[in-house]
Amino acid sequence: DTAVSQTPKYLVTQMGNDKSIKCEQNLGHDTMYWYKQDSKKFLKIMFSYNNKELIINETVPNRFSPKSPDKAHLNLHINSLELGDSAVYFCASSPRDSLYEQYFGPGTRLTVT
Amino acid sequence: AQTVTQSQPEMSVQEAETVTLSCTYDTSESDYYLFWYKQPPSRQMILVIRQEAYKQQNATENRFSVNFQKAAKSFSLKISDSQLGDAAMYFCAYRSGNAGKSTFGDGTTLTVKP
Repeated sequence: DTAVSQTPKYLVTQMGNDKSIKCEQNLGHDTMYWYKQDSKKFLKIMFSYNNKELIINETVPNRFSPKSPDKAHLNLHINSLELGDSAVYFCASSPRDSLYEQYFGPGTRLTVT
Repeated sequence: AQTVTQSQPEMSVQEAETVTLSCTYDTSESDYYLFWYKQPPSRQMILVIRQEAYKQQNATENRFSVNFQKAAKSFSLKISDSQLGDAAMYFCAYRSGNAGKSTFGDGTTLTVKP
């Protein structure tokens, strides 16, 4: 009965590889997000989708591409991984109404070697 | 653009005592929402408390309460009767009433001493 789930929880890969992180929410929410938390624990939004439509796209390298096949899923694909991509990536969801908080997944710790 | 500032990178409190974490924000919007999230070592982000900007009454949730000063754009979190399980990183977040985008502060690491 997990609300927001992410796979994998840990990902270790080499520079130059392409990898994907998957996110699913079973809360019936309309909006989903990707956040990056760096080594200093700073949390920055990357993307937001509402009903499969991209609504927020912060300054993120083109190597990062989100994909939302349906409103319950938001995947993050990263091409040509770099050392600086090492971080914890959080998926979150919320009802469209801004009154409500965001529900976060457990995070995916990505380590690029 | 909205900014959220948490001026205390680290705080510590004795078990059973009270601690206040500060948060200030900058915005030109009138419709917005404020949140405090907790991130324990498990790294799961957990909502602690929320405040609607149009409400004057400060939100409370058990041992957690906020001091919301809209004119000063201040939103501090008070934790009463601190417990060991309160040890975590606390993030203040601003959410626009229009776009739904959230901006997070840089976090405050709270240590609870037994």
